[in-house]
Amino acid sequence: GNSVTQMEGPVTLSEEAFLTINCTYTATGYPSLFWYVQYPGEGLQLLLKATKADDKGSNKGFEATYRKETTSFHLEKGSVQVSDSAVYFCALSGSAGNMLTFGGGTRLMVKP
Amino acid sequence: GAVVSQHPSWVICKSGTSVKIECRSLDFQATTMFWYRQFPKQSLMLMATSNEGSKATYEQGVEKDKFLINHASLTLSTLTVTSAHPEDSSFYICSALAGDGDTQYFGPGTRLTVL
Repeated sequence: GNSVTQMEGPVTLSEEAFLTINCTYTATGYPSLFWYVQYPGEGLQLLLKATKADDKGSNKGFEATYRKETTSFHLEKGSVQVSDSAVYFCALSGSAGNMLTFGGGTRLMVKP
Repeated sequence: GAVVSQHPSWVICKSGTSVKIECRSLDFQATTMFWYRQFPKQSLMLMATSNEGSKATYEQGVEKDKFLINHASLTLSTLTVTSAHPEDSSFYICSALAGDGDTQYFGPGTRLTVL
């Protein structure tokens, strides 16, 4: 079956540092890949997505590239802000019924 | 665009009572919605898939008689936790499948506390 593996957190960075959150996946076929962000006490917000190999999703300074050869979708940001502190979930869609398979989530803490 | 709301955002109830949570897609129609449960500091666990006009599909281990799902229109799905007990206390999140058939948009969640 499908699975998503994310680096365990928490990830603690200083403001303006470079961010990478690793995400690898196992899936049959050609899944779509997503990054969602969850702020404390809230639901998930779609951050970015990519639907095919070599696609790059980007939003709010975050980027992730769909790498089929390494089955990865790592999230990056060049300069994080305190407001980026949240939990980030990598997910894939490709199963029957368009169900999402989530990674375990990575908590990011950015200190001023 | 693609906004999903949930109501209520939090609810406290006594053990044995039933609680209904609403999930609405505000600016798009969704034939498919999903209900998730999230425990503290954990990922989301899919409970069921809700399809407009048909019965919901429940994940293994989820009691369909306890978690009643009704998807009565293209913009509304409801989850009713029947005879709630303290172990049902959790954060419940819904999502709606967008027109591209691929992207889910999530509601803000409902925190349920059963005393």
